[in-house]
Amino acid sequence: ELKVEQNPLFLSMQEGKNYTIYCNYSTTSDRLYWYRQDPGKSLESLFVLLSNGAVKQEGRLMASLDTKARLSTLHITAAVHDLSATYFCAVGVIYNNNDMRFGAGTRLTVKP
Amino acid sequence: SAVISQKPSRDICQRGTSLTIQCQVDSQVTMMFWYRQQPGQSLTLIATANQGSEATYESGFVIDKFPISRPNLTFSTLTVSNMSPEDSSIYLCSALVTGELFFGEGSRLTVL
Repeated sequence: ELKVEQNPLFLSMQEGKNYTIYCNYSTTSDRLYWYRQDPGKSLESLFVLLSNGAVKQEGRLMASLDTKARLSTLHITAAVHDLSATYFCAVGVIYNNNDMRFGAGTRLTVKP
Repeated sequence: SAVISQKPSRDICQRGTSLTIQCQVDSQVTMMFWYRQQPGQSLTLIATANQGSEATYESGFVIDKFPISRPNLTFSTLTVSNMSPEDSSIYLCSALVTGELFFGEGSRLTVL
């Protein structure tokens, strides 16, 4: 069964600092997603990573994928308060299993 | 991109009743997923609903409790049957569109 482990679960950062969220998964997958969720809201898609070595960047967020290590990272550069939210990774095994599972989420708080 | 309309957005239900959640996608999609999210928790996959086949349920979820319909390529429903307070949660539908997983706004159910 596909398992997704995300850490840390809670992250408190000072503005201007850098940090990385990690997402490990247990089996070969087709794709990996990163989402942002604000309190009381649905999920906002940040990145879709499909191949080994894929790197995508949007503003202060950069996501990468290492399929051999079954690891994705979400790197935050020079954090600002607006980045405070919960971040989820999700891993899909679509073509054989129709499976799409989420990590536990990282609750990020950026303090002034 | 895709727009997913989900309703109701919230409801308060009595124990023992059933409620059907509707999910409409603005494009034709083969693969849809239903998730449950408890407050402060991650998303748990309930079932995969592919048009033209029976829904596939995850461990812990059964068709009698959570019947799903998928009558066409743009629509799906999830029914929560014989509700108890333990069913109070947010239910989210999602659709896989050109490799990206989009979410509805969620249906927040409270069972008294």
